[in-house]
Amino acid sequence: DQQVKQNSPSLSVQEGRISILNCDYTNSMFDYFLWYKKYPAEGPTFLISISSIKDKNEDGRFTVFLNKSAKHLSLHIVPSQPGDSAVYFCAPPGGSEKLVFGKGTKLTVNP
Amino acid sequence: KAGVTQTPRYLIKTRGQQVTLSCSPISGHRSVSWYQQTPGQGLQFLFEYFSETQRNKGNFPGRFSGRQFSNSRSEMNVSTLELGDSALYLCASSLRGARADTQYFGPGTRLTVL
Repeated sequence: DQQVKQNSPSLSVQEGRISILNCDYTNSMFDYFLWYKKYPAEGPTFLISISSIKDKNEDGRFTVFLNKSAKHLSLHIVPSQPGDSAVYFCAPPGGSEKLVFGKGTKLTVNP
Repeated sequence: KAGVTQTPRYLIKTRGQQVTLSCSPISGHRSVSWYQQTPGQGLQFLFEYFSETQRNKGNFPGRFSGRQFSNSRSEMNVSTLELGDSALYLCASSLRGARADTQYFGPGTRLTVL
């Protein structure tokens, strides 16, 4: 049973436009959410997080929105750059020290 | 500060063999977690060690085991390898664990089972 779903396996956008990556979750106990970015042949790197007491967190070009009633998060990247091309994972910490990863969305930003 | 290192980076084994993967965490980090990444299942949690004790375990068979040494370095062992064990194995370290701190991932070990 997938607790974290990223229903779009891939997304392609033009450089300079907005990228919106979505994540849905089923476990209402999740109280903290992280986004990781992964380039090929590298491990995931932490990008941005949001606590369930907030509905928005912004860091430069990256903004994460949380809709708790809908159990939905979205990551906005504005403006998108070719270097943002990577796989993005939504990963809330589950019980007892583990991250529960979605299957990821592969973002391609075209120059 | 050096990042998380994993050795070897690539490994090819045959069915039935066993394999040991190694992870050296960031200096000072006491929590080491292991994840398996496959195209079909994504990233799945294997287990987490903190101060030489396994603190949490994912839903993997007993063929998957691990340990942590007093210097926080960790090893993961897979016995009686199956074709389905072919995956990227990622190690992540943090000061106190996934709920308290950001986890830092190594580059992974790519295991191919023939």
